[in-house]
Amino acid sequence: EVQLVESGGGLVQPGGSLRLSCAASGFTFSSHSMNWVRQAPGKGLEWLSYISRSGTPTYYADSVRGRFTISRDNAKNSLYLQIDSLRAEDTAVYFCVREGDSGSYSASWGHGTLVTVSS
Amino acid sequence: DFVMTQSPESLAVSLGERATINCKSSQSVLLSSTNKNFLAWYQQKAGQPPKLLIYWASTRESGVPDRFSGSGSGTDFTLTITSVQAEDVAVYYCQQYYSTLYSFGQGTKLEI
Repeated sequence: EVQLVESGGGLVQPGGSLRLSCAASGFTFSSHSMNWVRQAPGKGLEWLSYISRSGTPTYYADSVRGRFTISRDNAKNSLYLQIDSLRAEDTAVYFCVREGDSGSYSASWGHGTLVTVSS
Repeated sequence: DFVMTQSPESLAVSLGERATINCKSSQSVLLSSTNKNFLAWYQQKAGQPPKLLIYWASTRESGVPDRFSGSGSGTDFTLTITSVQAEDVAVYYCQQYYSTLYSFGQGTKLEI
């Protein structure tokens, strides 16, 4: 069974930083591209970032490019998202997402980790 | 940028009725060389992460009931739920994965 477990969320002050992690199991992690998607409270889904199976290339939504950095460690079956210069509008649940076997659709989702940006 | 626009924003149907949700892309998501539409549909129930329902616009994910179906091509797509059940109450999202910058529709809330 595919499992994606996010961690690292919490309360952080504006301007601060966080590193989110996603522990993957139940599939061959190095064989799948991965993404981060977020959802602000009561709002819709926002795609944030993509990373290929090898770690390059990476892509970012315009709204986070330059502040967010996606990375992965295939030896540790882990995905990461470094978030810098946090703003109030970054408050959201952050989901780790595995792409499908036959295409780049979001086949499997973690339960998410909540990031709250507030002073 | 690919902008995905869903309609309606919310939809109320009776049990057993048909529900139709539309998704329009600002650009075509059809790759002509493969004749595949890079469009997926997701269901998100309250307090849960999204769940993949449909990919390649019309391929049902394993385990998804056959009352869910996807259709359309190019820029216009439809998710149809025939004979809506109580457990189908959720928000439904479309997503394009044609571009390297993926994007979601704003969601359609289905109520009974």
